[in-house]
Amino acid sequence: GEDVEQSLFLSVREGDSSVINCTYTDSSSTYLYWYKQEPGAGLQLLTYIFSNMDMKQDQRLTVLLNKKDKHLSLRIADTQTGDSAIYFCAERQSGGYQKVTFGIGTKLQVIP
Amino acid sequence: NAGVTQTPKFQVLKTGQSMTLQCAQDMNHEYMSWYRQDPGMGLRLIHYSVGAGITDQGEVPNGYNVSRSTTEDFPLRLLSAAPSQTSVYFCASSATGRGSNQPQHFGDGTRLSIL
Repeated sequence: GEDVEQSLFLSVREGDSSVINCTYTDSSSTYLYWYKQEPGAGLQLLTYIFSNMDMKQDQRLTVLLNKKDKHLSLRIADTQTGDSAIYFCAERQSGGYQKVTFGIGTKLQVIP
Repeated sequence: NAGVTQTPKFQVLKTGQSMTLQCAQDMNHEYMSWYRQDPGMGLRLIHYSVGAGITDQGEVPNGYNVSRSTTEDFPLRLLSAAPSQTSVYFCASSATGRGSNQPQHFGDGTRLSIL
C-alpha cells in the first residue's frame, strides 16, 4: 500500500534555509504536493511537482524529487517567522479516484 | 472567492448524539473528500465522492455517513457520536481531468469535541 513519511519537527533560525524531507512508497504517484497549515486553519497548497520532474522552484521555495529513492524535499530559503507552520507532504496516485495520501506533517519552528 | 466552506467551525456534542457537518464548494469540482486530523496521525480519509450520487469509503469510515445529492454539497453525518470521534474534520475538493495538477482545496475545518 501507499505510505508517506515525514519527520515530526524542524527548528531553524530566522534567515537560514529550511529543508523538510518526505519519503513515499507508491511508484505510480503522479503529483506530489506540499501543503502548509497554520494554527487553527485548513491546509493551503504551497507547491507541487509532477512525477517526471526533478526540481521546481517558486520564489523562496525549491522542491527536489528523487524518483529512484522516492524522496521529496521542500527547501525554504531565507526562512521567516511567518513560515512557522506544519508542512504536509502528499502524493496523488494515478488511475481511478487518484487518491491523495498525506504524511503526518512536519512542524517547522522558526527562531527569531 | 468562497472556495470550500465548512460549517460549523466548532461543535461540542454528548456521546450518542448525532449531527451533520456541512461542506459546500463553489468551484464545480467533481471530487470531494472528508478527512479527520488527529495529533501525530496526519490526515485520514473518511469518505469521498467522485461526483453527484457517487460516494465511497476511505480509511476510517466507521461511524460516519455521507451523501452527494448535488455537485456543490457533501455533508458528513455522525450517527451516534463517540469520544473517539473528537477531532478536527476537513472537507476538500478538487477538479477532475488529466493533465492538470488537480490540487485539493481545503475548508478551514470543523473542530468537534465529544464529551
